[in-house]
Amino acid sequence: GQQVMQIPQYQHVQEGEDFTTYCNSSTTLSNIQWYKQRPGGHPVFLIQLVKSGEVKKQKRLTFQFGEAKKNSSLHITATQTTDVGTYFCAGGFKTIFGAGTRLFVKA
Amino acid sequence: SAVISQKPSRDICQRGTSLTIQCQVDSQVTMMFWYRQQPGQSLTLIATANQGSEATYESGFVIDKFPISRPNLTFSTLTVSNMSPEDSSIYLCSVEDTAFSYEQYFGPGTRLTVT
Repeated sequence: GQQVMQIPQYQHVQEGEDFTTYCNSSTTLSNIQWYKQRPGGHPVFLIQLVKSGEVKKQKRLTFQFGEAKKNSSLHITATQTTDVGTYFCAGGFKTIFGAGTRLFVKA
Repeated sequence: SAVISQKPSRDICQRGTSLTIQCQVDSQVTMMFWYRQQPGQSLTLIATANQGSEATYESGFVIDKFPISRPNLTFSTLTVSNMSPEDSSIYLCSVEDTAFSYEQYFGPGTRLTVT
């Protein structure tokens, strides 16, 4: 069946450093979404990408969808302590969630 | 985006009993889903709650264990039946906010502990 893989599982950064998480699908995706889950909270929708090669920005966050629509990335520039949480990608007809990347930011 | 509430927010239950979780949305939505999330893990889709018909269950989940109701476009319930400690988890409902997008908005979750 369709799988969505996400790496890394964990990332520890110093505040101010950049951070990237990668998402790869075993099949072509019609769309991909990114969510953020703060510790103790629920997933919160960040963005959806639908076009091949699409790039979207939200302040310090940059989201990319691969040309083949099988991979995606989320890049955070100059991390802040407020970026702490788990970032999930999700895609496919049944919205398969990746395993998530847990970001730790040291002040 | 839709505002979603869930009740209860948490519960501790004895094994062999059942718990019904309620999900209320502040607007009519077409698609509602139920997920399970083990602590520190990803989200696993249990089923899609269909208004006026039987829910659509994912592989590994069955109606006898997780009966779902959806009487209208703003409300759904998930029952966890004959609970065992393995059912301890966070249960989340979610909705797709528009008919042409896969964006999902989640309720705050119900933290279930089975002893």
